[in-house]
Amino acid sequence: QQPVQSPQAVILREGEDAVINCSSSKALYSVHWYRQKHGEAPVFLMILLKGGEQKGHEKISASFNEKKQQSSLYLTASQLSYSGTYFCGTERRDDKIIFGKGTRLHILP
Amino acid sequence: DTAVSQTPKYLVTQMGNDKSIKCEQNLGHDTMYWYKQDSKKFLKIMFSYNNKELIINETVPNRFSPKSPDKAHLNLHINSLELGDSAVYFCASSQRLRSEQFFGPGTRLTVL
Repeated sequence: QQPVQSPQAVILREGEDAVINCSSSKALYSVHWYRQKHGEAPVFLMILLKGGEQKGHEKISASFNEKKQQSSLYLTASQLSYSGTYFCGTERRDDKIIFGKGTRLHILP
Repeated sequence: DTAVSQTPKYLVTQMGNDKSIKCEQNLGHDTMYWYKQDSKKFLKIMFSYNNKELIINETVPNRFSPKSPDKAHLNLHINSLELGDSAVYFCASSQRLRSEQFFGPGTRLTVL
């Protein structure tokens, strides 16, 4: 069951904040976040394992609400280097990671 | 040092041909994966090996056959290539199933 990401695309000016959401219809064991720049491979950002857990990576943080089967990725004071496509990958217990369709983020100077 | 490498980077071939893509990781990881990313950028898992054992085998055509000669290598052989096989194929590895994955640079396969 593929997770649903929203929005599909975001355009921001440098310094603005963004939130990317990821939701699943199934109970989740963990949520993974990756960023892929154009023409490159996906790069790991973070894994969230527990309900309500929040993690950070530079000015990027995420939360995971296990009960709602949702995760959100927060990008604070966005930088040009944040541009790319963000994928959430959801995992049920003893199962594989299934990636969402991605959210394209474009940062303008 | 390259962590996960793939060869070739580009592969252009005719329909009906057979081709292979090779993947190697020098991270000492136990788990390796093959993903297919189509033109819409959808990243879909195809196979996963853990300690040379196939543990995830998604519903892909049996024209696709993975092979893991050892923990550091996972190759993908594709028989009778079709137009719909055109995509970017990524190899990835992780310490164990479910942990952080390191992706290779990808192989762009174009079937004419």
